[in-house]
Amino acid sequence: GAGVSQSPSNKVTEKGKDVELRCDPISGHTALYWYRQSLGQGLEFLIYFQGNSAPDKSGLPSDRFSAERTGGSVSTLTIQRTQQEDSAVYLCASSPRDLYGYTFGSGTRLTVV
Amino acid sequence: EDQVTQSPEALRLQEGESSSLNCSYTVSGLRGLFWYRQDPGKGPEFLFTLYSAGEEKEKERLKATLTKKESFLHITAPKPEDSATYLCAVQALWAGNNRKLIWGLGTSLAVNP
Repeated sequence: GAGVSQSPSNKVTEKGKDVELRCDPISGHTALYWYRQSLGQGLEFLIYFQGNSAPDKSGLPSDRFSAERTGGSVSTLTIQRTQQEDSAVYLCASSPRDLYGYTFGSGTRLTVV
Repeated sequence: EDQVTQSPEALRLQEGESSSLNCSYTVSGLRGLFWYRQDPGKGPEFLFTLYSAGEEKEKERLKATLTKKESFLHITAPKPEDSATYLCAVQALWAGNNRKLIWGLGTSLAVNP
């Protein structure tokens, strides 16, 4: 597609529920990244994919967070047993190669109540 | 510890009033420095990548420069549509597959007509 697409754009969930966030990167972009952005804080790295593999998972905050990428394209970030501190905007980005400017999606705003 | 500090936090300019935004960084070896702009409710939009001290890049009214300790984003004769938050990020020379960017908190720029 023309840009990085994320869905849903907004998600309100109850504490303890599982959520899935989807990212559809630009076609042909082999690198895919997940970040989250909280009010008053800088963007926080979560995970990096090259193709379908995740060489760098160092930013996942706990084992409640997991992500996968299939077909070298769509990625899903799953948060299990959501907590209020998980509330943030989750941003996905893709790039054609390493050390190249990312194209970000508009993000999923997650609110845990 | 690797970190990025941006100043000022907020800047208000009159249309046509040129100024500069600062990004100071501390990393154990710089792989690349990135500038992005972010509009409310949207993901960051890539502007520039700088790789080595002395490098400069320009795009319309924006010019980015890099030294060994900081980067400047110069805005010449800004227009109201340049109003946004400008984010700086660095990627460090880490070993292995680490690809995360370290982000500053941004400078919120408002340009009055």
